[in-house]
Amino acid sequence: DARVTQTPRHKVTEMGQEVTMRCQPILGHNTVFWYRQTMMQGLELLAYFRNRAPLDDSGMPKDRFSAEMPDATLATLKIQPSEPRDSAVYFCASGSGSYAGNTIYFGEGSWLTVV
Amino acid sequence: AQKVTQAQTEISVVEKEDVTLDCVYETRDTTYYLFWYKQPPSGELVFLIRRNSFDEQNEISGRYSWNFQKSTSSFNFTITASQVVDSAVYFCALSEENRSGTASKLTFGTGTRLQVTL
Repeated sequence: DARVTQTPRHKVTEMGQEVTMRCQPILGHNTVFWYRQTMMQGLELLAYFRNRAPLDDSGMPKDRFSAEMPDATLATLKIQPSEPRDSAVYFCASGSGSYAGNTIYFGEGSWLTVV
Repeated sequence: AQKVTQAQTEISVVEKEDVTLDCVYETRDTTYYLFWYKQPPSGELVFLIRRNSFDEQNEISGRYSWNFQKSTSSFNFTITASQVVDSAVYFCALSEENRSGTASKLTFGTGTRLQVTL
């Protein structure tokens, strides 16, 4: 049963610390997304990659957030330094296209609390 | 710009009642894709359905059914004979046309929280 795998599932950290979230997309999927979910903003796109190349990271605070895909099986989202307002659920998702469209599957999320 | 509106913030029903979740979308694309996702209390986002803009056939899957109407830009979701396990937040989402054989980003609505009680 193919699924998107995210680590850590839960993270509590102190303000100012670096946080790294990892994602293993579904094998064969060539598009990877990072979404953030908060009560105030709902689900918002932070960044996404196609064939490992960053396509759009306009939703990401550039001064403290960075996203990379070191290889096709790993995507990372890093926050440095973290702030309390970064507390949210971070979802990774992956998908692949076809003539009929695309279906995007989400991981279980990384629940981040910055105190 | 794309936009998805889920006007119902929260709905409460008693088990076995039917319930319809509304979704209205805006897009300038002539080809696009519509989705519904379920987020149960455990927090994960579960894919339910994808519908292509060129396919207006309604779909039924067990107790779930979807009504896609291009004329009103709506993609509503009905649960028949609701159950307590249906309690969750349901999100409608829209993506642009897939031109290059890869997945396109999703624009989400704000979600509708469904509470089903005994």
